Amino acid sequence: GESVGLHLPTLSVQEGDNSIINCAYSNSASDYFIWYKQESGKGPQFIIDIRSNMDKRQGQRVTVLLNKTVKHLSLQIAATQPGDSAVYFCAENNAGNNRKLIWGLGTSLAVNP
Amino acid sequence: EAQVTQNPRYLITVTGKKLTVTCSQNMNHEYMSWYRQDPGLGLRQIYYSMNVEVTDKGDVPEGYKVSRKEKRNFPLILESPSPNQTSLYFCASSFMGTGTEAFFGQGTRLTVV
Repeated sequence: GESVGLHLPTLSVQEGDNSIINCAYSNSASDYFIWYKQESGKGPQFIIDIRSNMDKRQGQRVTVLLNKTVKHLSLQIAATQPGDSAVYFCAENNAGNNRKLIWGLGTSLAVNP
Repeated sequence: EAQVTQNPRYLITVTGKKLTVTCSQNMNHEYMSWYRQDPGLGLRQIYYSMNVEVTDKGDVPEGYKVSRKEKRNFPLILESPSPNQTSLYFCASSFMGTGTEAFFGQGTRLTVV
């Protein structure tokens, strides 16, 4: 598969457990955030987004939490499955950067059967 | 099926030989963008386009050109490729505008020797 990063933070979980992936963002003016999943050999896949006027948003098996006070974002995956093994990226969008996304370097999630 | 299609998936070329990586989306999205992904550096935006005939530089535009003559296509052109352009390239599109990349292509692995 494609290597997407060197020495990425890695989270290892057991199948069926819940996973929490954390992300610190850089700009307090950022008002839109996206989580992406990238499997080996594939392009990033949009998972879930959240706007700054929300603290929490839920999708199918995923929840994103936003703490603007400490500029922290987290992605929670319920009942983690082997198919969830991938690199997860958070990205922030703010008007001060001409609305371009600022990407994190990613976290590798490994799900053990 | 909604998708972003890039071609080719893999390309090995020699320094200085002009090449084009094509990108096409079938979702009638106005916003499209190009990224490169390098180990340890994450995803960096090369160029983006808000609509037909509207393009702008991203964070790493040097050595690249783009065009947007029609809504569905957004080719990336390397007029004189150099070894430092060896990378994994992704095209993306979105219906929500700048910094909301929702769909990514499968990627083009480019090697310049």
